[in-house]
Amino acid sequence: DVKVTQSSRYLVKRTGEKVFLECVQDMDHENMFWYRQDPGLGLRLIYFSYDVKMKEKGDIPEGYSVSREKKERFSLILESASTNQTSMYLCASSPRTAYGYTFGSGTRLTVV
Amino acid sequence: QKEVEQNSGPLSVPEGAIASLNCTYSDRGSQSFFWYRQYSGKSPELIMFIYSNGDKEDGRFTAQLNKASQYVSLLIRDSQPSDSATYLCARTTGSARQLTFGSGTQLTVLP
Repeated sequence: DVKVTQSSRYLVKRTGEKVFLECVQDMDHENMFWYRQDPGLGLRLIYFSYDVKMKEKGDIPEGYSVSREKKERFSLILESASTNQTSMYLCASSPRTAYGYTFGSGTRLTVV
Repeated sequence: QKEVEQNSGPLSVPEGAIASLNCTYSDRGSQSFFWYRQYSGKSPELIMFIYSNGDKEDGRFTAQLNKASQYVSLLIRDSQPSDSATYLCARTTGSARQLTFGSGTQLTVLP
């Protein structure tokens, strides 16, 4: 089975801190995605990557950046955390198409 | 208008009944549609996908797609309390590489 691992299950950070969320997949998937999930809003795409060193903005990229230096790892960076970035963050990976989307277990981030 | 619309619910059905979950979409170019189930505090897991008009059955689950009317639905027969979860509808975007999700419908199956 594909495994998508997110480094932290719960995180509490202070306003203004730089925050790194890590995601690693073990099935050589080309595509990797970062979503955030908020009540009533569903999953919203922050950034995605189809290849190493490639990144594209999703629907809500403001306040975030990403890094993909290796195929298996996709990092989400909050440059200066703010309280409105308190959310559940979900990483996903898939092979060439969306049919094999697999999610990580999520990171619940609280910014205080 | 949201790209993928779902009734947020909550939807409650008695055990053994048929649960019907609906989803509409705005982009006629959408190719494929997915249903995910998400238990509270867990990540979404794929139930099934559909890309042709009509019905697709997998065990107790049936997905229905009507591209002319731009809706997709999920029927759960013989609903069980273990089916209580949030159900997410999604469609492919970005050359079929990405998924755009609806906000989800919360289903409760009452014993």
